[in-house]
Amino acid sequence: QVQLQESGPGLVKPSETLSLTCTVSGGSISSYYWNWIRQPPGKGLEWIGYIYYSGSTNYNPSLKSRVTISVDTSKNQFSLRLSSVTAADTAFYYCARGIYGNRGPYYYYYMDVWGKGTTVTVSS
Amino acid sequence: QSVLTQPPSVSAAPGQKVTISCSGSSSNIGNIYVSWYQQLPGTAPKLLIYENNKRPSGIPDRFSGSKSGTSATLGITGLQTGDEADYYCGTWDTSLSAWLFGGGTKLTVL
Repeated sequence: QVQLQESGPGLVKPSETLSLTCTVSGGSISSYYWNWIRQPPGKGLEWIGYIYYSGSTNYNPSLKSRVTISVDTSKNQFSLRLSSVTAADTAFYYCARGIYGNRGPYYYYYMDVWGKGTTVTVSS
Repeated sequence: QSVLTQPPSVSAAPGQKVTISCSGSSSNIGNIYVSWYQQLPGTAPKLLIYENNKRPSGIPDRFSGSKSGTSATLGITGLQTGDEADYYCGTWDTSLSAWLFGGGTKLTVL
């Protein structure tokens, strides 16, 4: 059974870069989309972006200028970098596996496996 | 404010049925399958419904999904106190080229 585990610093200073890694175990990183999602304290979920195992990416337009997601297939890991962070970036960060396809004229995309998440606080 | 609109909260008594709506547009729900996620307190979200109405293995048939036009609905029957959670709808938006979550609905089982 596939499991995801986020890791990285829990505290980041304002204006610096947040870096997190998600390790995929129990399955291959190939043939799936790999997502980052965050949740500020007491608020809803916000999609950050995804990377396909081949390296193609898609980011939330509201974060696009600050986000980089990369993949290392040899390590079965993918990573998030978020630059120029502020207190507004304080959140619980989750990684999740995405499944994409189509049935007839309609497309589907959903996230079927999630990591437990990791909290990141932006503070000096 | 989210592009996908959900009621902030719903409530019902144990054993009763509740529905949670998710309203969107032709660039998202109208042309893309919808999924639903359950987030129990203090835990990560979990896939509850995918492709509008399919349940992953292990999800009881008390949970159901449907879609009509640009709106989707999550139904939960035989409510249990363990169903108290936040529920999120999600889908892709072709205009924004981005994944969207609804604002979330907090279910209280009275």
